[in-house]
Amino acid sequence: RKEVEQDPGPFNVPEGATVAFNCTYSNSASQSFFWYRQDCRKEPKLLMSVYSSGNEDGRFTAQLNRASQYISLLIRDSKLSDSATYLCVVTLKYSSASKIIFGSGTRLSIRP
Amino acid sequence: DGGITQSPKYLFRKEGQNVTLSCEQNLNHDAMYWYRQDPGQGLRLIYYSHIVNDFQKGDIAEGYSVSREKKESFPLTVTSAQKNPTAFYLCASSLMTSGGVVNEQFFGPGTRLTVL
Repeated sequence: RKEVEQDPGPFNVPEGATVAFNCTYSNSASQSFFWYRQDCRKEPKLLMSVYSSGNEDGRFTAQLNRASQYISLLIRDSKLSDSATYLCVVTLKYSSASKIIFGSGTRLSIRP
Repeated sequence: DGGITQSPKYLFRKEGQNVTLSCEQNLNHDAMYWYRQDPGQGLRLIYYSHIVNDFQKGDIAEGYSVSREKKESFPLTVTSAQKNPTAFYLCASSLMTSGGVVNEQFFGPGTRLTVL
């Protein structure tokens, strides 16, 4: 089982729609959680951190469910410019090391 | 401006040649990483370093080598032993928390390596 799993998509939704992605992680000791966005042929960029209490940034809402070991990203009123691949990221702390794990990404395509 | 730079943006090499990809950061980050990304695929970790003069193998280190002589620099050498080196190479850096946990990563713009 992968340490971080995402539905690869693609999700193809009309402009203005609301779309949600989930990401599951396997290690209950995971400590920090993030969503990144990667445009085609570009580097990933941090979209938002995910806090236990959930957090919102404009049209984007991220939530963490530690009991079920998943994080989610909700995009409201989607724009054409939201088309990208969204990467779920988890950090772990072992006894003597720390690790950051990227999911394979969910592709989102917004159509006019 | 603070950030991570990678050079060159595009690199072509002949089969059998070693090539070194540059990565520099002025964010004063402790940790640096190299990833490889193939078309339509996720990121795969090649090497990482959490402190100067120390680095660890990632999931696909074979055919690659690194050095970390300075905090700001983490060059990656793609050797002739790497069987399929054509890919998009991304360098990243991050702070470490006081508890030794990796924080969010910041990426450079990447280098596209093509082996002819």
